Amino acid sequence: EADIYQTPRYLVIGTGKKITLECSQTMGHDKMYWYQQDPGMELHLIHYSYGVNSTEKGDLSSESTVSRIRTEHFPLTLESARPSHTSQYLCASQDRVFYEQYFGPGTRLTVT
Amino acid sequence: AQSVTQLGSHVSVSEGALVLLRCNYSSSVPPYLFWYVQYPNQGLQLLLKYTSAATLVKGINGFEAEFKKSETSFHLTKPSAHMSDAAEYFCAVSESGGSYIPTFGRGTSLIVHP
Repeated sequence: EADIYQTPRYLVIGTGKKITLECSQTMGHDKMYWYQQDPGMELHLIHYSYGVNSTEKGDLSSESTVSRIRTEHFPLTLESARPSHTSQYLCASQDRVFYEQYFGPGTRLTVT
Repeated sequence: AQSVTQLGSHVSVSEGALVLLRCNYSSSVPPYLFWYVQYPNQGLQLLLKYTSAATLVKGINGFEAEFKKSETSFHLTKPSAHMSDAAEYFCAVSESGGSYIPTFGRGTSLIVHP
């Protein structure tokens, strides 16, 4: 079954720590996305990728970085976490024909 | 350029009542339109999509939506609400043959009263 995975689901970390949020998909989709979402609020696009070795910044300014070395893997890294980074992070991949997106379960990050 | 407007950040209905969630879009080319549902502490899940075939689209969990080009609308309906329908609903648009990057509405929270 095609699926998209995110780890960890929940993370509580201190200010200044470096963290990597993992995202993997098994559908062979070229296009992948990272969104930031506060509880009950709209989605903000922070990064996306057309395919391997391609990454772009989204609409929302973010201090995070991403990489895309393999089609199935799209990790997001925060070099130095701050309380303002506290949020939910959603990863998605996109079907190439009709553009529908498939979302992971999200990582809820709390920076203390 | 594309945009999505969801009217009403919160919609409250009684169990068994009609559900109507409104979505209006703008797009410079024929759009692909989507409704997603998000339950607490989960990612988004596709409910249904319009991709230029039938204008009345049926989705999962008894939901359907009708594409009305003249009104630039794609409203989501369900004849009879169930308690399990309480969730956040997002409308989204992508431009067919254009930018594949979707634009999402701000979301509508559906509240179902017993």
